[in-house]
Amino acid sequence: GQNIDQPTEMTATEGAIVQINCTYQTSGFNGLFWYQQHAGEAPTFLSYNVLDGLEEKGRFSSFLSRSKGYSYLLLKELQMKDSASYLCAVPGTYKYIFGTGTRLKVLA
Amino acid sequence: KAGVTQTPRYLIKTRGQQVTLSCSPISGHRSVSWYQQTPGQGLQFLFEYFSETQRNKGNFPGRFSGRQFSNSRSEMNVSTLELGDSALYLCASSLGTGSNGYTFGSGTRLTVV
Repeated sequence: GQNIDQPTEMTATEGAIVQINCTYQTSGFNGLFWYQQHAGEAPTFLSYNVLDGLEEKGRFSSFLSRSKGYSYLLLKELQMKDSASYLCAVPGTYKYIFGTGTRLKVLA
Repeated sequence: KAGVTQTPRYLIKTRGQQVTLSCSPISGHRSVSWYQQTPGQGLQFLFEYFSETQRNKGNFPGRFSGRQFSNSRSEMNVSTLELGDSALYLCASSLGTGSNGYTFGSGTRLTVV
C-alpha cells in the first residue's frame, strides 16, 4: 500500500530554522512534492525531489533519501508569513497521495 | 496565464440536496483531479480526468461523480448530501504525468446543514 506520515503540528520562533519530516511508503516511486497551504487558501507548490540529496531554493530547502523513504523540508530565517500547513505528497497512478499535513505556527 | 478557477467559492446546502461544483483548468492542461479536504483526513483523492476519460477514482461512495468536457473543464456532483460531506473541495490541474505537479484552484467550501 501507500502511506505518508508527517507530524501534525510544529511551533517555532521567528528567525529560527525548522525541519518538517515526511516518511513514505509507496509501491513505486516517481518523486516527492512539498506544498504550502495557508488557512483557507489553495495549496501552492514548493518543491519536487526525485533524486537523493538536498535541493535549495531561497529560504526553503528539501531533502530526499529514497532508500530510507524519507524527506524533509527545511525552512530558514522563519517569518510570520510562514505560518501555514505543509503537505508532503507522492504521485501514484493518476493521483497524488498526500500526508495529512504539518501545521506550522511561527511565534514572534 | 490564468490560474485554476473553481466556482462557486462557498456553498451552503441542506441534507438530501445535490450540488455541482465546477473547475476550469489552466489552458493547455488536460488533467483535472478532485480532492476533498477535511481537518482530520487531509486531502482525499476523489477522481482524475484526462481528455474526458476518468483514469482513476478514489474510495468514495457512488453519490460522488464527475465528468470532464472537451475543453477540459470539469464538474463534480454530489447527490443526496450528508452532513459529513461538509469540506473544502479542491480541483487540481496538471499536464497529466506524475512529475509535473499540480496547480490547485482556490476550492469550494461546501457546508451541509
